[in-house]
Amino acid sequence: DAGVIQSPRHEVTEMGQEVTLRCKPISGHNSLFWYRQTMMRGLELLIYFNNNVPIDDSGMPEDRFSAKMPNASFSTLKIQPSEPRDSAVYFCASTQGGGSYEQYFGPGTRLTVT
Amino acid sequence: AQSVAQPEDQVNVAEGNPLTVKCTYSVSGNPYLFWYVQYPNRGLQFLLKYITGDNLVKGSYGFEAEFNKSQTSFHLKKPSALVSDSALYFCAVRVPILNSGYSTLTFGKGTMLLVSP
Repeated sequence: DAGVIQSPRHEVTEMGQEVTLRCKPISGHNSLFWYRQTMMRGLELLIYFNNNVPIDDSGMPEDRFSAKMPNASFSTLKIQPSEPRDSAVYFCASTQGGGSYEQYFGPGTRLTVT
Repeated sequence: AQSVAQPEDQVNVAEGNPLTVKCTYSVSGNPYLFWYVQYPNRGLQFLLKYITGDNLVKGSYGFEAEFNKSQTSFHLKKPSALVSDSALYFCAVRVPILNSGYSTLTFGKGTMLLVSP
């Protein structure tokens, strides 16, 4: 198995631009998580999908952030408009069954907003 | 609130010596506890978990963790450290999502482990 796949690996954009991050979970996993990692705030859960349905989006910072999971093999995290404070590493993770099971993380997308 | 705390930002140990990375938890009910490792420019990797049973849990790369209910701790240990163990280590706890029947993980701030040759 290729593991969790994220693209792009690096993204540099200017403030105000739209950014779309992509994730392909491990085949057969029914839970998907988006995290953000910064030095100041550590690892934060943004949103959790189960069977393609958002279960908990309380970690999404504000309306500029949105996430979708149109099918079991693809999810996107969109930031519009982007701001410099959104600069972080964004991780996608998947698992077979929510919080009781080990999560498999992708390599992350390093986002820099100038 | 259900949470974990990692009291040390950094742990330094010489190669060949035993290592301990500390984690304490605060949960209601029985805790589900996890350890993950993150190497530079990589995603987190699962090391081990405790759900129930034996208080000493063995995991990947020779790591183990000891669940201590009275001290509410779940410290990560390894008998003999390797330079290649140098990485960022995260403790995590399962957290229920209210009124949903689902749960997620809450992670600690992480502890940087530096193993010197």
